Amino acid sequence: ETGVTQTPRHLVMGMTNKKSLKCEQHLGHNAMYWYKQSAKKPLELMFVYNFKEQTENNSVPSRFSPECPNSSHLFLHLHTLQPEDSALYLCASSREELSGNTIYFGEGSWLTVV
Amino acid sequence: QKEVEQNSGPLSVPEGAIASLNCTYSDRGSQSFFWYRQYSGKSPELIMFIYSNGDKEDGRFTAQLNKASQYVSLLIRDSQPSDSATYLCAVTGGSQGNLIFGKGTKLSVKP
Repeated sequence: ETGVTQTPRHLVMGMTNKKSLKCEQHLGHNAMYWYKQSAKKPLELMFVYNFKEQTENNSVPSRFSPECPNSSHLFLHLHTLQPEDSALYLCASSREELSGNTIYFGEGSWLTVV
Repeated sequence: QKEVEQNSGPLSVPEGAIASLNCTYSDRGSQSFFWYRQYSGKSPELIMFIYSNGDKEDGRFTAQLNKASQYVSLLIRDSQPSDSATYLCAVTGGSQGNLIFGKGTKLSVKP
């Protein structure tokens, strides 16, 4: 139990589907993150939210759409994905989006696009 | 492009030996340095963080930082088979000081 929970843990979707990944943190943190982890590539930061405001979007394609309704919940809406988007999507949180704050990861959502 | 470099391994050490994991980073302005452990099929979990030059010890783990050389390492003493995992080095960087990760070093501890 990490304090950051993600659902679903596994998702298989077609390229025309629309699905969402959900993340909830129980740590009282104010910053939340989406990372993508593909085979043989480093963890890639996708989005950052600090106090519900998006502060970073690392040139992520528009087929990925984040939503942060409050400091405890974060969603990643997926539509018209490509097979190369298959990866482990990790949600994380930290006290605030400040340099040096430790981030804590959820268990991840394994996404397969067919 | 700010980068964090790690030898992908696998690094194989016998049980009881010292495992030495190394990491270099390109952003001279990085202030905070983290080591995460990731078991196969699991998410990364924090092992240690270090902010100042020198050594920081926590149980069997020692993190070493040399900002002049832009180098950070993790030593694992008395390595156990349960230490077998991928170790991710992360440093702060970018406009917001967010973490930038290396690709990780796979460690295998043989009984």
